[in-house]
Amino acid sequence: GQQVMQIPQYQHVQEGEDFTTYCNSSTTLSNIQWYKQRPGGHPVFLIQLVKSGEVKKQKRLTFQFGEAKKNSSLHITATQTTDVGTYFCAGEAGGTSYGKLTFGQGTILTVHP
Amino acid sequence: DTGVSQNPRHKITKRGQNVTFRCDPISEHNRLYWYRQTLGQGPEFLTYFQNEAQLEKSRLLSDRFSAERPKGSFSTLEIQRTEQGDSAMYLCASRRGQSYEQYFGPGTRLTVT
Repeated sequence: GQQVMQIPQYQHVQEGEDFTTYCNSSTTLSNIQWYKQRPGGHPVFLIQLVKSGEVKKQKRLTFQFGEAKKNSSLHITATQTTDVGTYFCAGEAGGTSYGKLTFGQGTILTVHP
Repeated sequence: DTGVSQNPRHKITKRGQNVTFRCDPISEHNRLYWYRQTLGQGPEFLTYFQNEAQLEKSRLLSDRFSAERPKGSFSTLEIQRTEQGDSAMYLCASRRGQSYEQYFGPGTRLTVT
């Protein structure tokens, strides 16, 4: 079945440093979505990427979707303590996937002030 | 609050007992998903409803698990003869039509003793 791998598992940064997490799917995706889960919270949608090579920005966050639609990355510039949490990528397969998402294991980000 | 709600938030049960969880999606969302999340992992897909029809079930969903969405509104997830391995956070998410974003509820944390 479809697998989504995400690295690194943990990332500790000083406030103001940059952060990047990478996501790789075993199969070509219809789209990839990114979610953030704060400690004790539930996943919250950040963005979706649909087109090959797509790049989207949300303030300090930059999301990329690979040309082959199998990999993606999230980059945060100048991290802040409010960025703390677990970042998940979630891939949706093509065809009759009904929007079923396969999540990566997540990257836990801690930011030291 | 017009978000996804789940009840109960916590459930402690003894091995062998049956439990039932409820999910109330956002009212205009016709798509509903159940996921299971264990510590340090991303959510794993369990099952999907479009309106009242259950269109997909994961192989993770053994015969002890059953889900319903009788009127296309709220959904229930029942686990019969619980086992310690069923201990996890059970998350419900809803989605509107062709949009990508899944809105997650706060989850029900199940502990099987």
